[in-house]
Amino acid sequence: GQNIDQPTEMTATEGAIVQINCTYQTSGFNGLFWYQQHAGEAPTFLSYNVLDGLEEKGRFSSFLSRSKGYSYLLLKELQMKDSASYLCAVRDNDYKLSFGAGTTVTVRA
Amino acid sequence: IAGITQAPTSQILAAGRRMTLRCTQDMRHNAMYWYRQDLGLGLRLIHYSNTAGTTGKGEVPDGYSVSRANTDDFPLTLASAVPSQTSVYFCASSEREHGELFFGEGSRLTVL
Repeated sequence: GQNIDQPTEMTATEGAIVQINCTYQTSGFNGLFWYQQHAGEAPTFLSYNVLDGLEEKGRFSSFLSRSKGYSYLLLKELQMKDSASYLCAVRDNDYKLSFGAGTTVTVRA
Repeated sequence: IAGITQAPTSQILAAGRRMTLRCTQDMRHNAMYWYRQDLGLGLRLIHYSNTAGTTGKGEVPDGYSVSRANTDDFPLTLASAVPSQTSVYFCASSEREHGELFFGEGSRLTVL
């Protein structure tokens, strides 16, 4: 099975940078995903890492270290609309995704 | 518009009743999934199907059943609902090789 840990809540100021960490212990690994979920809505895909290193996509970047079982999602130039839950998910060798409990990010003016 | 459609959006159900949540996708994705989302616990996999005609158990399968008669449809059935099955249920699909999940809008189920 998968054990995925991420902080429950984070607060940051508009325009700032926030880093959401995710650690995982898995019985099989075939990629790590980050999803964004606004309250009352469905999760939407943000990023995917399968090799070590940094993937940058606009204001969002995601990093993976497979040897450390560690990933982070970096949100730059925070906007009010970035207030949401951010879900870390690990894909196993059978292509199933297991999710962490999510990190609620609140952006303050 | 391509995507995943879930029905009903919301339902209140008496304990002991049978309920089927419907899920249909038009993206011709091979894999489909049912998750439940509860506060503080995140998304937990109930059942999945890697291709039409096959299904598998996820993390929390007890009390639920699924079928995958064709590529597009993946209904989730609660044979005899219990209050602990009160949750928001999300259906999702993916192309097996890539693994990015596309989610439906969710079905909020309350069992009294």
